[in-house]
Amino acid sequence: DVKVTQSSRYLVKRTGEKVFLECVQDMDHENMFWYRQDPGLGLRLIYFSYDVKMKEKGDIPEGYSVSREKKERFSLILESASTNQTSMYLCASSFDGVTNEKLFFGSGTQLSVL
Amino acid sequence: TQLLEQSPQFLSIQEGENLTVYCNSSSVFSSLQWYRQEPGEGPVLLVTVVTGGEVKKLKRLTFQFGDARKDSSLHITAAQPGDTGLYLCAGEPGAGSYQLTFGKGTKLSVIP
Repeated sequence: DVKVTQSSRYLVKRTGEKVFLECVQDMDHENMFWYRQDPGLGLRLIYFSYDVKMKEKGDIPEGYSVSREKKERFSLILESASTNQTSMYLCASSFDGVTNEKLFFGSGTQLSVL
Repeated sequence: TQLLEQSPQFLSIQEGENLTVYCNSSSVFSSLQWYRQEPGEGPVLLVTVVTGGEVKKLKRLTFQFGDARKDSSLHITAAQPGDTGLYLCAGEPGAGSYQLTFGKGTKLSVIP
């Protein structure tokens, strides 16, 4: 089975801190995604990557950056955390961007910014 | 921007009852996926429907894609407590865009 592992289940950070969320997948997938999930707003795409060192903005990239130095690892960076970035963050991967994409999700990181 | 509207937002039913969840859009999608998310976990894909009018069954779950590929429904027969979770639909826009559009979800609680 595909496994997408997020480094932390829960994180508590202070406003202004730099925050790193790490995601690793073990199935040699080409594509990786970062979403945030908020009650009443659903899943919103922050950034995605179709290849190593390649990144594309999603719907809500402001305040975030990403890094993909290796195929299996996709990191989400909050340069200066703010309280409105308190959310559930979900990482996902998929095999290839052709059609009928099936996303495999990690278990999520619940981030609280105080 | 393509939108997917899910209804109802919340649903609480007794074990053994039937239910239907809807996913509607004014836009056409090349395919539509349904995910279930349990508390504390990420979403897990249940099914993908591709052809307009397509019906797929997964045990007690029946998924239908509208003829015009703008809407979909999920019907659960004789719901069980294990069906509890957040159900999400996600549309694939097609035409060179591979980013899925997610609905906001239907939170289902099945009471024993």
